Amino acid sequence: GESVGLHLPTLSVQEGDNSIINCAYSNSASDYFIWYKQESGKGPQFIIDIRSNMDKRQGQRVTVLLNKTVKHLSLQIAATQPGDSAVYFCAENINNRLAFGKGNQVVVIP
Amino acid sequence: GAVVSQHPSWVICKSGTSVKIECRSLDFQATTMFWYRQFPKQSLMLMATSNEGSKATYEQGVEKDKFLINHASLTLSTLTVTSAHPEDSSFYICSAGRQINYGYTFGSGTRLTVV
Repeated sequence: GESVGLHLPTLSVQEGDNSIINCAYSNSASDYFIWYKQESGKGPQFIIDIRSNMDKRQGQRVTVLLNKTVKHLSLQIAATQPGDSAVYFCAENINNRLAFGKGNQVVVIP
Repeated sequence: GAVVSQHPSWVICKSGTSVKIECRSLDFQATTMFWYRQFPKQSLMLMATSNEGSKATYEQGVEKDKFLINHASLTLSTLTVTSAHPEDSSFYICSAGRQINYGYTFGSGTRLTVV
């Protein structure tokens, strides 16, 4: 039978603009969160992480925001480049097990 | 540092045969390794957690007799898909963690196609 719901949410962004990717996590007991980037046919690549005692962390061109009240995580990419085109996943660490969110596809328009 | 090597990167096998996938931590000792599977345009689903020297812990709904996991050393874990069927065709990915570090490094994945 035909499958439904297999299309990832897609964010199309102009090269040079900022991107914001959102993620809702499931467990209020999660103490550690990671954003991963996955290119087609490859394993996930670490981007940035944040612990539950923080609400913001910055890296090179990336910022992660954590709102524990509403269990929400976001990834901001500054000055998006064509090489940023990929699927982005948030992941939460629960008892040393890493559970992944659904993923967001980012398409950078040159 | 923190490199995880996964082999093979792709494999095609016939229905009913078994396939072994290897996951190695190249420059660190991984007390814990994780195995995931990923269907097209979907997220990674954790299959099992393997700890060196002990039995793997499988997630609910994952058949432990079908997906055999061995973690015999601190640098190697293997996943064997036994009696493979076409519905087992998927992208299998391992990751490894260190005991004192929350970071997890992923392998490059194995594309399994069962014909």
